[in-house]
Amino acid sequence: DTAVSQTPKYLVTQMGNDKSIKCEQNLGHDTMYWYKQDSKKFLKIMFSYNNKELIINETVPNRFSPKSPDKAHLNLHINSLELGDSAVYFCASSQSMSGGTETQYFGPGTRLLVL
Amino acid sequence: TQLLEQSPQFLSIQEGENLTVYCNSSSVFSSLQWYRQEPGEGPVLLVTVVTGGEVKKLKRLTFQFGDARKDSSLHITAAQPGDTGLYLCAGTGNTGKLIFGQGTTLQVKP
Repeated sequence: DTAVSQTPKYLVTQMGNDKSIKCEQNLGHDTMYWYKQDSKKFLKIMFSYNNKELIINETVPNRFSPKSPDKAHLNLHINSLELGDSAVYFCASSQSMSGGTETQYFGPGTRLLVL
Repeated sequence: TQLLEQSPQFLSIQEGENLTVYCNSSSVFSSLQWYRQEPGEGPVLLVTVVTGGEVKKLKRLTFQFGDARKDSSLHITAAQPGDTGLYLCAGTGNTGKLIFGQGTTLQVKP
């Protein structure tokens, strides 16, 4: 069984479009995250949610809007896509947010290409 | 801003060789993790170190956390092709979030 799943795995779209990426975890975890990995493999946190509540909101353009309908799901909606949004987006989850010793479990990633 | 710098960024070695990857910062981290990422997949946690000077071993991998908790190293003994991948260090910053280094891409040739 997949612990953290993301859909779609690949997303190719035109500049200016709006798209969503979905994430689900079946680990019973309280905390979920969105990360962006750029072309140089640098991984940076975008958002984190704990029990459906937004905890971390990095300096991400407000074209990016996360939504957590329940604690097993964290979706990412992106408006007015730009070329610079092309990257791999990873969802992750952890049992809680206790001080960084928690194991984060990552999904397989969504490869977004904006043309 | 807390930053983690990894070196080297790329490493290509022959099977059987030893290697060390370094993760350095000017900031103190309360804990440090090492992840391994294979192509087309998400990172997978290898180890978490929390105490300054701590050494942890995972088969042929040895992880060390610096005494001052500002740096860490990953040493692989007798590397194998299956060790090929992207190695990422990540520290818990003072805001509680994970801060990743830029990664070390390791290629082990048979």
